[in-house]
Amino acid sequence: AQSVTQPDIHITVSEGASLELRCNYSYGATPYLFWYVQSPGQGLQLLLKYFSGDTLVQGIKGFEAEFKRSQSSFNLRKPSVHWSDAAEYFCAVGAGAAGNKLTFGGGTRVLVKP
Amino acid sequence: NAGVTQTPKFQVLKTGQSMTLQCAQDMNHEYMSWYRQDPGMGLRLIHYSVGAGITDQGEVPNGYNVSRSTTEDFPLRLLSAAPSQTSVYFCASSYGQGIYEQYFGPGTRLTVT
Repeated sequence: AQSVTQPDIHITVSEGASLELRCNYSYGATPYLFWYVQSPGQGLQLLLKYFSGDTLVQGIKGFEAEFKRSQSSFNLRKPSVHWSDAAEYFCAVGAGAAGNKLTFGGGTRVLVKP
Repeated sequence: NAGVTQTPKFQVLKTGQSMTLQCAQDMNHEYMSWYRQDPGMGLRLIHYSVGAGITDQGEVPNGYNVSRSTTEDFPLRLLSAAPSQTSVYFCASSYGQGIYEQYFGPGTRLTVT
């Protein structure tokens, strides 16, 4: 069975600083990988996804993620955070024939200091 | 397009009561699913459906029933609520065949006392 680990429960970053969120996955086949963001009291919004091809993927809101098969990682990065990036971020791996069955990590809550 | 809608937004139940959480989408998506979100555990898949008339269990199906009589609706039924079912419930949908983004509803916060 697949699993996802997000080692950092909370991260505090200053506005304008860079951000990196870690994600490690376990899956027996080629993974379908996703990053979602959840603002307080809201549902989840897709930031980016990886299925194949270029291992550096670009997403919305200035985020990018890099797939490293050798490290079973899919870390999310942003060069310069904005106060509006304060949210909870979830990494997920998709299973099933169409990758629709998502297994989520526990989430990383990001706090942005002014 | 309203996207994925869920009702109610909040609900308090007593142990043993039953209720149905409603989910509807207007995007003609084939795939729909229900997740529950608990602190520190991310979201866990309860049930999913790949099309009208077809449902299957996810990771944590016990205590929940689903049916899919139409493409648009995917209700989640709690047969006899238990305090362990206190959670935030999210419905999601996607186009289905192939790898497509899942769209999430705003969630239902359920408390069982």
